[in-house]
Amino acid sequence: DIQMTQSPSSLSASVGDRVTITCRASQGIRNYLVWYQQKPGKVPKLLIYEASTLHSGVPSRFSGSGSGTDFTLTISSLQPEDVATYYCQKYNSAPWTFGQGTKVEIK
Amino acid sequence: QVQLQESGPGLVKPSATLSLTCTVSGGSISNYYWSWIRQPPGKGLEWIGYIYNSGTTIYNPSLKSRVTISADTSKNQFSLELTSVTATDTAVYYCARDLRQHVQVGLDVWGQGTTVTVSS
Repeated sequence: DIQMTQSPSSLSASVGDRVTITCRASQGIRNYLVWYQQKPGKVPKLLIYEASTLHSGVPSRFSGSGSGTDFTLTISSLQPEDVATYYCQKYNSAPWTFGQGTKVEIK
Repeated sequence: QVQLQESGPGLVKPSATLSLTCTVSGGSISNYYWSWIRQPPGKGLEWIGYIYNSGTTIYNPSLKSRVTISADTSKNQFSLELTSVTATDTAVYYCARDLRQHVQVGLDVWGQGTTVTVSS
């Protein structure tokens, strides 16, 4: 099975900072990658699909890029409401494996 | 606006079968991929499997021998059965729907989640 590895596992940044989270697949998955945001105690929320398409209603400070094995989620200007754990998930073929998550906090 | 609601026992005994139902309101169960995902306390998300058009099912290989996902179109529900549970199956269980009909793109509608504890 293809493994999804996120880095870092956690990060702390200041409001307004640019934040980048990486997701690496152990084999190529083209652009079949999704990013979710899960705020503490809440349900996961779809942010980006097809690696770079912003889901409806998601603030434009979020962006995704990558193809093949290496992907990134970028928050261009971190806001207090972005405190959450972010997960990538691949869906080129089953199983739809999630990354282990990246916890984002405010410094 | 499609909404999902999980239901089922919150406490299951070890070695028993965990059974959950996801009721879909505001839309049809047809033509979409419907998934179950779980999240153990303090841990990450684990995809369990999906059902598509009430017939096609795919499961996570790590759970395949114990999982069954089925659908009842007359009730607009789909269900999860997980057999021979142990404490490691303790988790919040979510049902979710894919963004688009007929293709797998990403899970955009989620239930609120239901906590299942495996304990005697």
